[in-house]
Amino acid sequence: DVKVTQSSRYLVKRTGEKVFLECVQDMDHENMFWYRQDPGLGLRLIYFSYDVKMKEKGDIPEGYSVSREKKERFSLILESASTNQTSMYLCASSSSGSSTNEKLFFGSGTQLSVL
Amino acid sequence: AQTVTQSQPEMSVQEAETVTLSCTYDTSESNYYLFWYKQPPSRQMILVIRQEAYKQQNATENRFSVNFQKAAKSFSLKISDSQLGDTAMYFCAFPGNTGKLIFGQGTTLQVKP
Repeated sequence: DVKVTQSSRYLVKRTGEKVFLECVQDMDHENMFWYRQDPGLGLRLIYFSYDVKMKEKGDIPEGYSVSREKKERFSLILESASTNQTSMYLCASSSSGSSTNEKLFFGSGTQLSVL
Repeated sequence: AQTVTQSQPEMSVQEAETVTLSCTYDTSESNYYLFWYKQPPSRQMILVIRQEAYKQQNATENRFSVNFQKAAKSFSLKISDSQLGDTAMYFCAFPGNTGKLIFGQGTTLQVKP
């Protein structure tokens, strides 16, 4: 069965800490995505990657960066965590081609609390 | 700006009954896909159903079907014979002009025994 794995289900961090959220997929997908989910706002795209070492900003990239050194792994980095980054973070992947037509496969999410 | 609107934050339905979740969107594109995703309490989002905008026929997947009204830019999800396992948050989504999916705010559905 296809799988997208996020390394942590829950994380608690302090303001100012550098935070790494890891995501691994086993489907050999080209496209990988990081979303943020907040009540009443749905999912908002932070960053996406369509190939190794390639990345593009989504709708809310401020305060975040990403790394994709290997095809199967896509990391989200909070350089200096702030309380307004407390949220649920969802990783997703899809196969090549138009990502707007392809089914997204999601991880189980990381609930991050920044204190 | 392109938007997706789910006007029902919460809904409930009795087991075995039928429920319809609404979604409207705004786009100037003519050919696109529309999606409904389900997020159960386990939090892992899964695709429920997908509709191609150029197809007249509404998509159906077992107990799930859509009512797609292209002119009205409406894309509702109908769940027939609701089951307790259908309890989840449901998101509709469509591709924005940046080429990436835009998600609605979500509708929390509670199926009651």
